[in-house]
Amino acid sequence: GQNIDQPTEMTATEGAIVQINCTYQTSGFNGLFWYQQHAGEAPTFLSYNVLDGLEEKGRFSSFLSRSKGYSYLLLKELQMKDSASYLCAVTDSNYQLIWGAGTKLIIKP
Amino acid sequence: DADVTQTPRNRITKTGKRIMLECSQTKGHDRMYWYRQDPGLGLRLIYYSFDVKDINKGEISDGYSVSRQAQAKFSLSLESAIPNQTALYFCATSDFGEVDEQFFGPGTRLTVL
Repeated sequence: GQNIDQPTEMTATEGAIVQINCTYQTSGFNGLFWYQQHAGEAPTFLSYNVLDGLEEKGRFSSFLSRSKGYSYLLLKELQMKDSASYLCAVTDSNYQLIWGAGTKLIIKP
Repeated sequence: DADVTQTPRNRITKTGKRIMLECSQTKGHDRMYWYRQDPGLGLRLIYYSFDVKDINKGEISDGYSVSRQAQAKFSLSLESAIPNQTALYFCATSDFGEVDEQFFGPGTRLTVL
């Protein structure tokens, strides 16, 4: 079966750095997405990786290793508004998006 | 104005009732999707459509049907609602391209009593 694993919940301190991991087992791979979702709101796109390596976008970076079926989202200089769930999703061989359950990130002052 | 809109935003209904959730988009995208989201579970795909004449079942289509009335409109129907269809429903759109990111509507919170 297809599976995406991410931690259920993480806690970090304002101003710090946090890394959210995602491992996947899917039938094929055509890209990996990270989305941010604030409570009760719609998911919004953060990043996309299709090749191995690091993609940096401001305070957020995303890393991919296709051989290991692994990605992480790195958030720097954490702000209170970063408190949200972070969803990892993989496009499989049929170009269907398979979603992880999300990681709830709690930021403390 | 929002690019992807959903109506209603909240709905409470009773078991056995027929319910329609509507989605409209002004992004000009060909691809549209319906998902449901339950606590502790990832987004699960119900149906998707790559153009007006194309409708495809997703992971959990049983108990649901859809209609793609136009490029901009994609409706989800529950013919006879049951309590385990209580969930947050999202419509999304995307445009075929290198990234194909999906843009989500604000969601419809449906409660079936």
